[in-house]
Amino acid sequence: GAGVSQSPRYKVTKRGQDVTLRCDPISSHATLYWYQQALGQGPEFLTYFNYEAQPDKSGLPSDRFSAERPEGSISTLTIQRTEQRDSAMYRCASSSSGRANEQFFGPGTRLTVL
Amino acid sequence: AQSVTQPDIHITVSEGASLELRCNYSYGATPYLFWYVQSPGQGLQLLLKYFSGDTLVQGIKGFEAEFKRSQSSFNLRKPSVHWSDAAEYFCAVGRDDYKLSFGAGTTVTVRA
Repeated sequence: GAGVSQSPRYKVTKRGQDVTLRCDPISSHATLYWYQQALGQGPEFLTYFNYEAQPDKSGLPSDRFSAERPEGSISTLTIQRTEQRDSAMYRCASSSSGRANEQFFGPGTRLTVL
Repeated sequence: AQSVTQPDIHITVSEGASLELRCNYSYGATPYLFWYVQSPGQGLQLLLKYFSGDTLVQGIKGFEAEFKRSQSSFNLRKPSVHWSDAAEYFCAVGRDDYKLSFGAGTTVTVRA
């Protein structure tokens, strides 16, 4: 696609529910990233993919968080048993291969856990 | 571990005045440095980046930044701000392992 898209743009859920966020990267981009951005803070790295491989999950806050990119294109981030502290903006970015290439960010999904 | 510090949470500047946003980083190796801008409802947009070479880099929208190794700084400047420059600005450090580490951001308000 022309840019990185994310859906839904807003998600409100109740504590304890599972949520799945979707990211559709720029079609030619091999690398995809997930970041979590709390209010008043910069984005914090969660995980990334090179095609379908997931070399680094070190930023995932707990085992309730998981991400997939099964065909090396669209990715999903799933949060199980959501907690209020999971409320944040979740941002997806993609880049072409190569270290420190520009990451193109999507508009984000604003998650609110009540 | 590396960190990025943006000392100014909020800056107010008059339209037409100059702007400087500060960024300091701590990182053991030569960093890759970025400035991103975030407008309301929009994704982060890259303004400029520094990898190596000339320490003064030019970006989009009339912005520039200077890398100073001795001060571990990468400050962003614009000679004359426009009302459309009101946004949140993030400095980031890139590492060999692809991650970006962001500062907490500086919100810029432009007054008429």
